[in-house]
Amino acid sequence: GDSVTQMEGPVTLSEEAFLTINCTYTATGYPSLFWYVQYPGEGLQLLLKATKADDKGSNKGFEATYRKETTSFHLEKGSVQVSDSAVYFCALSDRGNTGGFKTIFGAGTRLFVKA
Amino acid sequence: NAGVTQTPKFRVLKTGQSMTLLCAQDMNHEYMYWYRQDPGMGLRLIHYSVGEGTTAKGEVPDGYNVSRLKKQNFLLGLESAAPSQTSVYFCASRPAGGFTDTQYFGPGTRLTVL
Repeated sequence: GDSVTQMEGPVTLSEEAFLTINCTYTATGYPSLFWYVQYPGEGLQLLLKATKADDKGSNKGFEATYRKETTSFHLEKGSVQVSDSAVYFCALSDRGNTGGFKTIFGAGTRLFVKA
Repeated sequence: NAGVTQTPKFRVLKTGQSMTLLCAQDMNHEYMYWYRQDPGMGLRLIHYSVGEGTTAKGEVPDGYNVSRLKKQNFLLGLESAAPSQTSVYFCASRPAGGFTDTQYFGPGTRLTVL
């Protein structure tokens, strides 16, 4: 079945450092790929998405490129801020067996940014 | 436009007690989902619904039941709570039409079963 694997955390960086969070996936079809972010005490919210190979999603300085050849969707940001401290989830969305569409989430990577 | 709301926000149960978690969305979305979030395990799908009156099992359905009597509401029931059901529960919704669409999440319900 479909699955998502992302790097274990926590990741601790200093402000203005470069961020990479790795994410790889397995899927039988051609899924859409997402990064969601969860701030403390809140639900998940969409950060960015890509719907086909070579698409680049971007938002709030974060970027990720859909790489079909390496089945990857790594999240990057050039200069992190303290406010970026959160848990980041990589996810894929594909057609479910009983209709509708299901989303498979990775385990999440917690990011701490120090001032 | 409140988005996705969940009731209650916190709850403590004793083993064997029952309860119902309510999820409501005002975005006219067709699809609704219940997830549980446990440390180190990300989100796992409990049940989902592709429309009013329909439900389907997800990855971890045992011990839970759901109902979707109205399009805007998706109820998650625990008939006999167990300590293993201590978790944070998230509801989400999304429009129909394709798997490129985003899911919209509620703020979560933190449940503790003693």
